[in-house]
Amino acid sequence: DSGVTQTPKHLITATGQRVTLRCSPRSGDLSVYWYQQSLDQGLQFLIQYYNGEERAKGNILERFSAQQFPDLHSELNLSSLELGDSALYFCASSPYDQAHTGELFFGEGSRLTVL
Amino acid sequence: AQTVTQSQPEMSVQEAETVTLSCTYDTSESDYYLFWYKQPPSRQMILVIRQEAYKQQNATENRFSVNFQKAAKSFSLKISDSQLGDAAMYFCAYRSPYFGNEKLTFGTGTRLTIIP
Repeated sequence: DSGVTQTPKHLITATGQRVTLRCSPRSGDLSVYWYQQSLDQGLQFLIQYYNGEERAKGNILERFSAQQFPDLHSELNLSSLELGDSALYFCASSPYDQAHTGELFFGEGSRLTVL
Repeated sequence: AQTVTQSQPEMSVQEAETVTLSCTYDTSESDYYLFWYKQPPSRQMILVIRQEAYKQQNATENRFSVNFQKAAKSFSLKISDSQLGDAAMYFCAYRSPYFGNEKLTFGTGTRLTIIP
């Protein structure tokens, strides 16, 4: 158990709809990262938040948005869904600590299926 | 921007044998982290091994070891005494320690099959 919690684990929805994926980082971790993994593909970085502020942005579509709340949990909002948005969405967290060994801790992912 | 390349989409090995997965990366930074993550059919991302670039000694974790060649920008993973539970996708990843660039950049992965 990495300590990172993602909900829901599975989600099926229709094209054009909007969904929200939720992530609770490990206790004390200030950074949250979102990744997208399409079928049999690598992980693509979407966005990073640090202590409530956007820190870095990757190839995130304009239809997607995210935020990190004061309690450090994060939400990824996906709107106007298309078939191609079907993927596994991972959240990961890390501390910000000079002694940290650099790894990210991943949740189990949220599998989104768009029909 | 950093890139990570895994040139072996698929590999297979007999149970109890040794296999090496390749990874190369491109960066202009001198300090960074490198990782191998394992993704079994459950899809969970599991850290296998990590290497800090400033350390010359290759990292080892039980049956897993790396060959880190900083000048060549190469970071291969060796799995000894392969077991059925090692079957998974393996991703090589790079991480910068610098502000605003701390994300993990992944390679495209190598699917490892263990032959009984």
